[in-house]
This record gives sequence, structure tokens and C-alpha cells, in this order.
Amino acid sequence: NAGVTQTPKFRVLKTGQSMTLLCAQDMNHEYMYWYRQDPGMGLRLIHYSVGEGTTAKGEVPDGYNVSRLKKQNFLLGLESAAPSQTSVYFCASKLPGWEQYFGPGTRLTVT
Amino acid sequence: TQLLEQSPQFLSIQEGENLTVYCNSSSVFSSLQWYRQEPGEGPVLLVTVVTGGEVKKLKRLTFQFGDARKDSSLHITAAQPGDTGLYLCAGAQGGADGLTFGKGTHLIIQP
Repeated sequence: NAGVTQTPKFRVLKTGQSMTLLCAQDMNHEYMYWYRQDPGMGLRLIHYSVGEGTTAKGEVPDGYNVSRLKKQNFLLGLESAAPSQTSVYFCASKLPGWEQYFGPGTRLTVT
Repeated sequence: TQLLEQSPQFLSIQEGENLTVYCNSSSVFSSLQWYRQEPGEGPVLLVTVVTGGEVKKLKRLTFQFGDARKDSSLHITAAQPGDTGLYLCAGAQGGADGLTFGKGTHLIIQP
């Protein structure tokens, strides 16, 4: 099992550009999550999904959109990137009642 | 907004010393998790505590959940350089909601 994988590992965007981050898990987990981690801020929840075709907002959803078209994939989109979205993005997944497993992260820089 | 306060933020000690890291909140959580994160990687789960007053041991690491399920501590005995890393506590409310993370404790164990 690869667990939770994230693509890409690194990306540099210019302000106003768009991109999509891909999270994939091969553990047949129902729930998936996107977090961002900033220096001195810990991890904060952006969006999450409780199953295929469903999404919900977390603590810091503004400027992001998500989609869960397949159970194993959770996409995070930035329509118009801003420097404030420079961060490390982590995806996680879990089964109901169990712990979350995290991916290795995507480091995004917006200039 | 629920908050988890971790202390200390930074800790640098010599190999062989003991240390305790604290995680405090004004909110009650259904469970509390401790993660360890190394540079460039995602958080890795160390332990989950669920019951008020619960104590769990993982080799030289001892985790305690407060009686009121609002706080937790991590005690490391005879710290080793391999214990160096960022230690994060995270609270769960149950269900599909994501985790609420503390800001973390940066631990450095010097040989």
C-alpha cells in the first residue's frame, strides 16, 4: 500500500494563476481532509469530505475549492492564487472512528 | 473556535534528560492525538487517548489525558537525539470533523 500520496511535491505560482493539488489514498478510506500548515500556526482544516460526491468547509475555506469525484481521490483547487496561500498543504484520510493518516505534503509558493 | 495551547513552543535539552510537553484547552474533546513530524514530511501518529485519566506508554514516551478530557501531556524519559522533531497534539470531536491542532513543540535533543 502506498497510503496517502500527494501530487505535486513542490510548486511555484504567480499571483492570479490557478492550480489543482491531487490527493490519492489506496486504503479505501471514507473520509478525506485538506489542511494547511504555516509557521507558528499549526495545521488548519481547509475542507473535508465524508464520501464520494460530498464536501464540507473547514476552518479556513476561503479561496479554495474541492471535489471528490472518486472515493480514492480528493482534489484541492486554487482558482486565483494569492501570496497568502503560500503554505504547506497536507491531505489526510481515515475510516470512521479511526485515526487520520497524512500524506507527505505539497509545498506551494505564490509570488 | 476551539484552541489547543501547547507549551513549551521550543525545547532544547541534552541527551539523557527527561522532559514534559503540555497540551491544554478550554474545550472537551472526545479524543486527543499526539503526532510527531519531521522536516519535509507529514505528521505521523504516536498515540490516541480517549478516556479521561488515561495513561499510555510507548517505550520511553508516556502520554496522559486529563480527567476532564481538556488537556494532555507527553513525557519523554532519557531523551535521545532520535526524539528530535515537531510534536503536535490534536483534538477530535468525533464523527467526520477534522482535527484541531496545537501549534506544536519543537524539540531538539543534543548529543
